[in-house]
Amino acid sequence: GAVVSQHPSRVICKSGTSVKIECRSLDFQATTMFWYRQFPKQSLMLMATSNEGSKATYEQGVEKDKFLINHASLTLSTLTVTSAHPEDSSFYICSAPRGDSNQPQHFGDGTRLSIL
Amino acid sequence: QQQVKQSPQSLIVQKGGISIINCAYENTAFDYFPWYQQFPGKGPALLIAIRPDVSEKKEGRFTISFNKSAKQFSLHIMDSQPGDSATYFCAARDRGSTLGRLYFGRGTQLTVWP
Repeated sequence: GAVVSQHPSRVICKSGTSVKIECRSLDFQATTMFWYRQFPKQSLMLMATSNEGSKATYEQGVEKDKFLINHASLTLSTLTVTSAHPEDSSFYICSAPRGDSNQPQHFGDGTRLSIL
Repeated sequence: QQQVKQSPQSLIVQKGGISIINCAYENTAFDYFPWYQQFPGKGPALLIAIRPDVSEKKEGRFTISFNKSAKQFSLHIMDSQPGDSATYFCAARDRGSTLGRLYFGRGTQLTVWP
């Protein structure tokens, strides 16, 4: 069964809206979670690393103020796309290692974000 | 710069055939090499993984071959089935990364014809 749950699976909203995506680890604690963005027929692009109890680490070129990450607890990380625009439309996926960083990463089922 | 290079970009195989996907890397700090399978509209699912101290790992119809000296590894899918049609990503983890960051290949879209 799924070990990482992501919600919602699909969001359609108007331009200018802020959208929050949740990523939960099921039956294990995750001090680290990763957020990816994936365009059609392309690979996963790491956006940021979410750390419980501290600030997220963003990849070069990713706007921190646009993509707010909060790792509120050992089982929950949220990604908020602020004032979303059509160019933010994409497939967003989170992942977490089940255990320490040496353990395999498990992915959520992704969130399809469509901005009109 | 792509740290993990994957080929081919797409692959068409007849049912019952062998699917082979190749990956190569340069960073000798990589210490863990997983393969993920992704269906449309879903997140990647861990398929099989290998560490560099072994040359081959087999799980059912899926086998990873690993060549440490050549810095190459490949996924072999034996007796390929239409249900195997998906996108496959190879990845590598940097042992120097305390957070376990993965570097992904560009992906291979596999189509298995019945």
